[in-house]
Amino acid sequence: AQKITQTQPGMFVQEKEAVTLDCTYDTSDQSYGLFWYKQPSSGEMIFLIYQGSYDEQNATEGRYSLNFQKARKSANLVISASQLGDSAMYFCAMREGGTGNQFYFGTGTSLTVIP
Amino acid sequence: DTEVTQTPKHLVMGMTNKKSLKCEQHMGHRAMYWYKQKAKKPPELMFVYSYEKLSINESVPSRFSPECPNSSLLNLHLHALQPEDSALYLCASSQPWGNPETQYFGPGTRLLVL
Repeated sequence: AQKITQTQPGMFVQEKEAVTLDCTYDTSDQSYGLFWYKQPSSGEMIFLIYQGSYDEQNATEGRYSLNFQKARKSANLVISASQLGDSAMYFCAMREGGTGNQFYFGTGTSLTVIP
Repeated sequence: DTEVTQTPKHLVMGMTNKKSLKCEQHMGHRAMYWYKQKAKKPPELMFVYSYEKLSINESVPSRFSPECPNSSLLNLHLHALQPEDSALYLCASSQPWGNPETQYFGPGTRLLVL
């Protein structure tokens, strides 16, 4: 079974609008971490936001917020006030408590911001 | 600004060449990683070093040889590569313990094997 599932291969959003990128995960561990990365066409993977499994509040970092629904095993990324520079590939990733340093990545969502 | 640097940014090599990719981080991290990424795909883990010791090798062919000379440096030696090895090679680093163990990536090396 896939550890991380991103069901939206491509998304479009109007500039200045908000957009939600979906991510569901599969783990039986109680301790795990969820991460979102942005990858522009230049190739660098940019860390955006982190949510720990024991965190009771949703993580926020500037225009990025993570909608964490533990019972549903979902960790959706919300980008508010989209900008043209947000056009990129977005990857959701998970680190399980017992796997040491290994990350599991989803297949990614390509976001295009339309002027 | 990224605190993980990678050189070179681009590399073209023939199948008989020997080359090396270099990665350096100055964040005091004790875990370092090599990933291979094909276009429009997620990164695939190749190797993990923890405290300068190889801790994960994801069944990577022997034509890829990693080396971790010290806690700040990570090399990937390439020899007799195949055209299908053409990809973006990403280096990352993190702390190997505690939360959140966020991995920070370098800008990558785009490799083309002819």
